[in-house]
Amino acid sequence: DAGVIQSPRHEVTEMGQEVTLRCKPISGHNSLFWYRQTMMRGLELLIYFNNNVPIDDSGMPEDRFSAKMPNASFSTLKIQPSEPRDSAVYFCASSEADRGSVTQYFGPGTRLTVL
Amino acid sequence: GESVGLHLPTLSVQEGDNSIINCAYSNSASDYFIWYKQESGKGPQFIIDIRSNMDKRQGQRVTVLLNKTVKHLSLQIAATQPGDSAVYFCAETGGSNYKLTFGKGTLLTVNP
Repeated sequence: DAGVIQSPRHEVTEMGQEVTLRCKPISGHNSLFWYRQTMMRGLELLIYFNNNVPIDDSGMPEDRFSAKMPNASFSTLKIQPSEPRDSAVYFCASSEADRGSVTQYFGPGTRLTVL
Repeated sequence: GESVGLHLPTLSVQEGDNSIINCAYSNSASDYFIWYKQESGKGPQFIIDIRSNMDKRQGQRVTVLLNKTVKHLSLQIAATQPGDSAVYFCAETGGSNYKLTFGKGTLLTVNP
């Protein structure tokens, strides 16, 4: 079975540019999470979707960050405009939280570098 | 606030030895705990989990121990192999039915 799929795997952009990260959760999973990982802060939850609806976005750093989930098999995380401090690895994870399983399965991540 | 933390940020062992990675948690409402392994350049990978109504759970070469009295979780890896070298994270639910709180991670290095 395919796991969580993320694209691109690497992104290098210049400050001020728009960045869009993409995620396809595991088929049948109804919960999706976006995380950011840095050496200083570790893994931080940015936003959580359940059945395509954003439930908890308290971890989104600021208005420059936005996330959407138009359907059960696709989500995007957008940063506009990007800043050097946004450089990190961004992970998407999915789970079957609605069915009592909180175990999250992670994608390979997108390494973002903002120059 | 409530948090999950790790006692040791790094652990170095010889190949073939047993490894023990520790984790302290502070949220007494947590009822589910997970250990993840993260290799360089990859996402965290599920290893083993345990519910709060259990003290011990065994997998293949791995054992998780839970001591609710002192809010301590450990991961034991038997006969550690070079492929076990990675960062290990503990995670707990903190009373949530969907959210996981992750510890900072422990870097395990296995020397041949």
